[in-house]
Amino acid sequence: QSALTQPASVSGSPGQSITISCSGTSSDVGGYNYVSWYQQNPGKAPKLMIYDVTNRPSGVSNRFSGSKSGNTASLTISGLQAEDEADYYCSSYTSSRLVVFGGGTKLTVL
Amino acid sequence: EVQLVESGGGLVQPGGSLRLSCAASGFTFSSNYMSWVRQAPGKGLEWVSVIYDSGSTYYADSVKGRFTISRDNSKNTLYLQMHSLRAEDTAVYYCATSGYSSGWPNFDYWGRGTLVTVSS
Repeated sequence: QSALTQPASVSGSPGQSITISCSGTSSDVGGYNYVSWYQQNPGKAPKLMIYDVTNRPSGVSNRFSGSKSGNTASLTISGLQAEDEADYYCSSYTSSRLVVFGGGTKLTVL
Repeated sequence: EVQLVESGGGLVQPGGSLRLSCAASGFTFSSNYMSWVRQAPGKGLEWVSVIYDSGSTYYADSVKGRFTISRDNSKNTLYLQMHSLRAEDTAVYYCATSGYSSGWPNFDYWGRGTLVTVSS
């Protein structure tokens, strides 16, 4: 199974909105509403930010939102804050009953 | 409070074997799907394997035939037996599971990870 495709890096200024894309195929992202997004800070375990494409776990800021169109999912962070600077990973369930992650995107808050 | 604590990592020679453990608490272990996810130094996340509550197992192509996931519900412990280890298996190995609301294949809870280094 091939990793999902994410941009290596994105950046934005405080208060702005940014979007991170996650491209897959009809066998993963496009085929199921099982896309998740994780935030990872250096030296820490990942944190679930979005599940099932659009849902936020309890405690996650509503500045984080998810969507999907065809084989591409997206994570949008609005009202960017310095604390949002981290690595972000998408993941998807696949037709082989496996899970595949994206390569990760480094978010820099300017 | 959900806790996942991995152990068993270390330095192993290429071709060697290692068994990782993950001690779970704070939830009904026997009812949860449990996964291993790894992260090579400076690299991204890679899903490794899952074991369902039923005992069914699935593996990433990169480890299939070399790694075996198992669970002992009486001990609330997840295992990963690794054989024929390669340099590219060097990574921090995380134990992960879903929360009540999100369910599989989402990972609400993660351990701190255990480092496996494959080198001569």
